[in-house]
Amino acid sequence: DAGVTQSPTHLIKTRGQQVTLRCSPISGHKSVSWYQQVLGQGPQFIFQYYEKEERGRGNFPDRFSARQFPNYSSELNVNALLLGDSALYLCASKGWDRRDSNTGELFFGEGSRLTVL
Amino acid sequence: AQRVTQPEKLLSVFKGAPVELKCNYSYSGSPELFWYVQYSRQRLQLLLRHISRESIKGFTADLNKGETSFHLKKPFAQEEDSAMYYCALLNAGGTSYGKLTFGQGTILTVHP
Repeated sequence: DAGVTQSPTHLIKTRGQQVTLRCSPISGHKSVSWYQQVLGQGPQFIFQYYEKEERGRGNFPDRFSARQFPNYSSELNVNALLLGDSALYLCASKGWDRRDSNTGELFFGEGSRLTVL
Repeated sequence: AQRVTQPEKLLSVFKGAPVELKCNYSYSGSPELFWYVQYSRQRLQLLLRHISRESIKGFTADLNKGETSFHLKKPFAQEEDSAMYYCALLNAGGTSYGKLTFGQGTILTVHP
């Protein structure tokens, strides 16, 4: 198993543009979360999706949106990019059964590094 | 609001010395706390969780509700312990269900 995979690994955008980041969870995992990690800080929670529904949302503006597909992969969209959106965007997945329910163990991808110029 | 504080951005010790990475939290409910680690060129991964009361790679962490702390300790540090360590708090309910709140992280360097 390749683990959580994210694409693209690096990308450069200009202010005002839109970006879509993609994530494939570990096979069998039904929950996907997105985190933003700005240089020098810990990851910050953006969204959690489970069974294609949004289950949690962090303190991010409406420019940030996400969705989860029937195969449990996910996309994060950011519109009207600002310089401050430059960050590493991490996707994480977890299993969800009686044993794993809300244990807090997330399996992270390597991230998509977004630079906004 | 829940918060996790790691007061030390950098921590340096020599091989064989004890190490303690500090973590303090604020949370109104019953906390579930974790330590995540990121080794050089690797992805972020779980090191240990307080509910398991386990020792992983020689590390232990005890939840102290009175002091709202969850410090990570190892009696004899090894060079391979050099990494970035994050303390994290799980939100178990509400609109942020499943959210992990991370501290800013501590870079541990173990010198030979």
